[in-house]
Amino acid sequence: EAAVTQSPRNKVAVTGGKVTLSCNQTNNHNNMYWYRQDTGHGLRLIHYSYGAGSTEKGDIPDGYKASRPSQENFSLILELATPSQTSVYFCASGDAGTGEQYFGPGTRLTVL
Amino acid sequence: TQRLEQSPRFLSIQEGQDFTARCSSSTTFPQLYWYRQVPREGPVILVTLVKSGEVKEQRRMTAKFGEARKNSSLFIARAQPGDAGIYFCTGDNTGNYKYVFGAGTRLKVIA
Repeated sequence: EAAVTQSPRNKVAVTGGKVTLSCNQTNNHNNMYWYRQDTGHGLRLIHYSYGAGSTEKGDIPDGYKASRPSQENFSLILELATPSQTSVYFCASGDAGTGEQYFGPGTRLTVL
Repeated sequence: TQRLEQSPRFLSIQEGQDFTARCSSSTTFPQLYWYRQVPREGPVILVTLVKSGEVKEQRRMTAKFGEARKNSSLFIARAQPGDAGIYFCTGDNTGNYKYVFGAGTRLKVIA
């Protein structure tokens, strides 16, 4: 069964609304990541975490918050969603020993 | 700032042709990783390169890491339609598990 799951898979939000994207992993990896993917940009790192209670800013953290309440769960929070945050969001867990990452299936977010 | 450049950005080839994707940086990376992504799924790890000058062969795929750890190539022989997708290189040269991805090489294989 899938080791990294994301919910919801699709989300339509209104400008100014709050959006929470959830990620769960069963790999028992300490590291977890949130990326967004836009055409022409590859994947860009928003926030990451070294373990429960830890959140770190990635390369494009503005407008996003993250929460890591447990080893398994890592959430991405958009307090005031804007149309520029329309994108596909990927969560990943990372093996600290090898550096390899394991991705979820993605969440397609549209902010109207 | 970490940055990885990939080329070509797009490639369309006939089934049976060979394919090479390249990844380069102005800074050194301790390791480099190649991933492949197909539509509506997350990227999947293909290969990890950890040694200067390393060459890894897996069936039709050969990955190389430059001696200076600033570039890498991914070669696929006799491409098949199932090889289509976006190929990304990624790495972290901060030591903080903070990874940067290249923009990707989008491969189309025509049957």
